[in-house]
Amino acid sequence: AQTVTQSQPEMSVQEAETVTLSCTYDTSESDYYLFWYKQPPSRQMILVIRQEAYKQQNATENRFSVNFQKAAKSFSLKISDSQLGDAAMYFCAYRPGHYQLIWGAGTKLIIKP
Amino acid sequence: ETGVTQSPTHLIKTRGQQVTLRCSSQSGHNTVSWYQQALGQGPQFIFQYYREEENGRGNFPPRFSGLQFPNYSSELNVNALELDDSALYLCASSAGSTSGRNEQFFGPGTRLTVL
Repeated sequence: AQTVTQSQPEMSVQEAETVTLSCTYDTSESDYYLFWYKQPPSRQMILVIRQEAYKQQNATENRFSVNFQKAAKSFSLKISDSQLGDAAMYFCAYRPGHYQLIWGAGTKLIIKP
Repeated sequence: ETGVTQSPTHLIKTRGQQVTLRCSSQSGHNTVSWYQQALGQGPQFIFQYYREEENGRGNFPPRFSGLQFPNYSSELNVNALELDDSALYLCASSAGSTSGRNEQFFGPGTRLTVL
């Protein structure tokens, strides 16, 4: 079965510091996509960063970067210079084909001022 | 450019009733996906519509059904509501169905409570 596991239900970080959120997934596919989404209290899912499995280079979007380890089926998210606005639920998601996203249970990120 | 919108925002129903949730896709998008997000969990894929046809379905019973209209807006219908159907229902639209890299843009969701 294709599953996504986020082992950290909650993480906290001091403002301006760096935090890493973990994600592992299980698949037999060779071509797929991985995503990190942010869900603030407003409930709207916002795409943070995307990684294509065939690309070895780790994706980066400003303060957000990933560590993609295909052989280990690991896809962690690093947030640098954490800001108060980063506080939210973060979901890791996997997309094996062209439709459904398979989601982890989420990690609640708390930013301490 | 108008984003994805959903209506209503909140809804309360009783067990056994039927409900219809609505989604307007982002301009230029022809694909709509529906997800169910129970409290404290990640979303679960219900189904996807591409150009008015269902082209993918998750592990949900037939009482969950949908429609997509020529303007690519969509409805999610749930019959014979059960207590476990209480959840946030998310709609996402994207441009095209044939590439996994097409970003899905999400609406704010409809919070359904079944009593």
